This record gives sequence, structure tokens and C-alpha cells, in this order.
Amino acid sequence: DTGVSQDPRHKITKRGQNVTFRCDPISEHNRLYWYRQTLGQGPEFLTYFQNEAQLEKSRLLSDRFSAERPKGSFSTLEIQRTEQGDSAMYLCASSLGIRGEDTQYFGPGTRLTVL
Amino acid sequence: AQSVTQLDSHVSVSEGTPVLLRCNYSSSYSPSLFWYVQHPNKGLQLLLKYTSAATLVKGINGFEAEFKKSETSFHLTKPSAHMSDAAEYFCVVSNTGFQKLVFGTGTRLLVSP
Repeated sequence: DTGVSQDPRHKITKRGQNVTFRCDPISEHNRLYWYRQTLGQGPEFLTYFQNEAQLEKSRLLSDRFSAERPKGSFSTLEIQRTEQGDSAMYLCASSLGIRGEDTQYFGPGTRLTVL
Repeated sequence: AQSVTQLDSHVSVSEGTPVLLRCNYSSSYSPSLFWYVQHPNKGLQLLLKYTSAATLVKGINGFEAEFKKSETSFHLTKPSAHMSDAAEYFCVVSNTGFQKLVFGTGTRLLVSP
């Protein structure tokens, strides 16, 4: 399967713990995106990378959140000192980064539950 | 700022009958519009997209949508529903650079035998 993959698929943690999620984009895709989806809502944009550069961050991305994309390949999203409000599905997407033809392809998501 | 409003949170149809999922958009410039589908425990899948070419856009699995600038609408239709179409559907608008997708709240399509 050459689609976007995410690991883990599910994560249960206690409030105050740190968690890290990984996203592997489609291999030739230059852009990588993170979204968050809470129950009953559509996904909300968090941040995106063009190669290894993080070009935009949403106001939703508090100081407890950090994302990296070393070497422009896979990406990690870390949440420090988790809170119950962080419980959500975290979605990763990737795209070619070609202007006018930049469809985003989504991974299956990581479902985070904070107890 | 861009936004989309999905007018129905749930739509119920019988198998073999037409499907209409309604979406209105708001954008200060020519938008790019998409419909994505989300099946349980699966990732979001692109159904179709409008990027200022033909106003009637055909997508996968028999779905199509028509961009109507005068009505600021981008409704999704399918002539005949299948059981496998039961899922959550999202109308999405993007900025011209495609960097950020703005999703609606979703419409859950229920298909009964």
C-alpha cells in the first residue's frame, strides 16, 4: 500500500503524559498536513510542511503541540502534558505541492483518548 | 475568510433513490471546492473537486456536483444510492494555494434497503 500511513492507530493516555504520533506521506509528496477531528465535527487544520519547512500553524496549535518533519520525509506530532480536551482523531495528509493540482490524500488517523 | 455550510446533518434515502447533499460556501475570491467521504474506521477519500474549470464536476462512484456561483452552492448528487454509499460526507473549501482545507461539519448519509 503506497498511501499515507499513521502510527499508532489508537492511543490511550493519562492526563499530563506526553504522546507522539508519526505520519509517513506518499513518497513523492512534498507537502504534509496535520488536522484534528473531534466527535461530530469536520477536521480542522493544524499545520503544514513544505518539505522540511513548517510554513503555517493554526491558532489551535497551542504551545503544548509541536510538529516536525526532519529531512522532508515522515512527520511527528507531539503533544506535551495532555489534557482531556486533546482527545480527538489526528489526521495526516500529503500532497504533491504542485500549484493547481494539489489534492490532499489522507491517512487513516490516530485516535487519541486522554483519561 | 472561507467557510462552508452543510445544510443537513443527516440525510436518509432508500437504496436506488437519488441522493442530494447540500453545501453552501463563502469565499472572498474564486474558491476551490471539494467533497470528501469518510467511511467508519477509514481515511477521508476525495470524491470530486472543482477548481474553476467546468462547473459540473463528475467524481468517483457515480457522484457529481455543480458549482453555482449565483447561489454560492456546491451540492453533491447521485442518481441512485447504494448501500455502500452510507458514510459521512464533507464539503470542503480551500484557498488558492491549497495549503489549508476548511471542512464543513459533515452530513451523515443513511441508506436503507
